[in-house]
Amino acid sequence: NAGVTQTPKFRILKIGQSMTLQCAQDMNHNYMYWYRQDPGMGLKLIYYSVGAGITDKGEVPNGYNVSRSTTEDFPLRLELAAPSQTSVYFCASSYSIQAGGVRSKNIQYFGAGTRLSVL
Amino acid sequence: DAKTTQPPSMDCAEGRAANLPCNHSTISGNEYVYWYRQIHSQGPQYIIHGLKNNETNEMASLIITEDRKSSTLILPHATLRDTAVYYCIVRVDRGSTLGRLYFGRGTQLTVWP
Repeated sequence: NAGVTQTPKFRILKIGQSMTLQCAQDMNHNYMYWYRQDPGMGLKLIYYSVGAGITDKGEVPNGYNVSRSTTEDFPLRLELAAPSQTSVYFCASSYSIQAGGVRSKNIQYFGAGTRLSVL
Repeated sequence: DAKTTQPPSMDCAEGRAANLPCNHSTISGNEYVYWYRQIHSQGPQYIIHGLKNNETNEMASLIITEDRKSSTLILPHATLRDTAVYYCIVRVDRGSTLGRLYFGRGTQLTVWP
């Protein structure tokens, strides 16, 4: 059971380049999230999705776009990379309607992160 | 959401209990207390959550005061692997903004040999 898988693990971009951070989960979770974490800080929510075809902005959405065409995948797109987007990006998922046990939409499972530098 | 206040850092000897406090004096009746931790460079990990009763699982215990204005996460026998940043988060578990967790700076727990 892989859980939440993020690719790539590391990336260096030049200013103005674009890229897509990939996130996939195999737990049949309805909710998926993208966070960024700057050095020494807590996580900030970029975008989230409550199901395929439904996305919404979090605290810091500017400069990013997302899509959710399937339950499993939630890619994050950076169109024009800027140095301010240098950060560690975490994808997370939560809540399966079909799952048993303790169910809370706030119990999130995180990927290992993507470390992005924009130079 | 209710704001939480945690000490920036704590330390604990290996094998001893680590007690991490969290103040959430503005918590409302339908808000739960969640604890996560983040080991260096890894994604956060869910530990435990509760509403008003004390909770225990294989990782930790959560003690919530009767007035619900504060809570304590207890790691009963801390190990070096418990060195991490611990986040206390207060959230409702229903409604239109489900699952939107707000992480602050947390408490850096250092377990020493």
